[in-house]
Amino acid sequence: QVQLVQSGAEVKKPGASVKLSCKASGYSFTNYAMHWVRQAPGQRLEWMGWVNAGNGDTKHSRKFQDRITITRDTSASTAYLELSSLRSEDTALYYCARGGGPLYYTSYMEVWGKGTTITVSS
Amino acid sequence: QSVLTQPPSVSGAPGQRVTISCTGSSSNIGAGYDVHWYQHLPGTAPKLLIYTNNQRPSGVPDRFSGSRSGTSASLAISGLQAEDEADYYCQSYDSSLSGHVFGTGTKVTVL
Repeated sequence: QVQLVQSGAEVKKPGASVKLSCKASGYSFTNYAMHWVRQAPGQRLEWMGWVNAGNGDTKHSRKFQDRITITRDTSASTAYLELSSLRSEDTALYYCARGGGPLYYTSYMEVWGKGTTITVSS
Repeated sequence: QSVLTQPPSVSGAPGQRVTISCTGSSSNIGAGYDVHWYQHLPGTAPKLLIYTNNQRPSGVPDRFSGSRSGTSASLAISGLQAEDEADYYCQSYDSSLSGHVFGTGTKVTVL
């Protein structure tokens, strides 16, 4: 069955960077896109970005400007999210989710990983 | 300012029907972009409930239905059950933001 296994929780200091992974199994990795979504404590779901696992094309929320990098390794069927210049407001549960739908604009989050907790604290 | 606005909470007795609205604008729902809905239980990963406005993934009960009209969309839950108590989010694409957006979220309480 389709599974997305995410890397473990991390604690980071303000200003540091973090790189999360999301290993896919049970389907052809390059046939789908991958979204990254986060939820800060008590807040709503927040879309962060997307990668086309086939051609590596990426999109991301303008909110994260130059702080976000989304990549994928097709040989490892794994997508990555890197967030730099971490702030306390980046403390959240980060999810990867397989993209459904044929186009970026119509895409939805079809299958979700269990999430990775990132805590930013001095 | 929220791009997709949902009521903070809705409630109903078991067996009743409740609806959750998702109000957008001309740059998202009103522009014809599809709306999708998720159920989120605390401590678990969100679950896709409705995709492309009114399509149910395999395994989602037909008690859940979605619709879209103008700049808004709705999720209806009929025959409300205790297990439906969760947070619900709508999601769409916004052309002015050039990205996907989630609604503000609605907590459903079964009385």
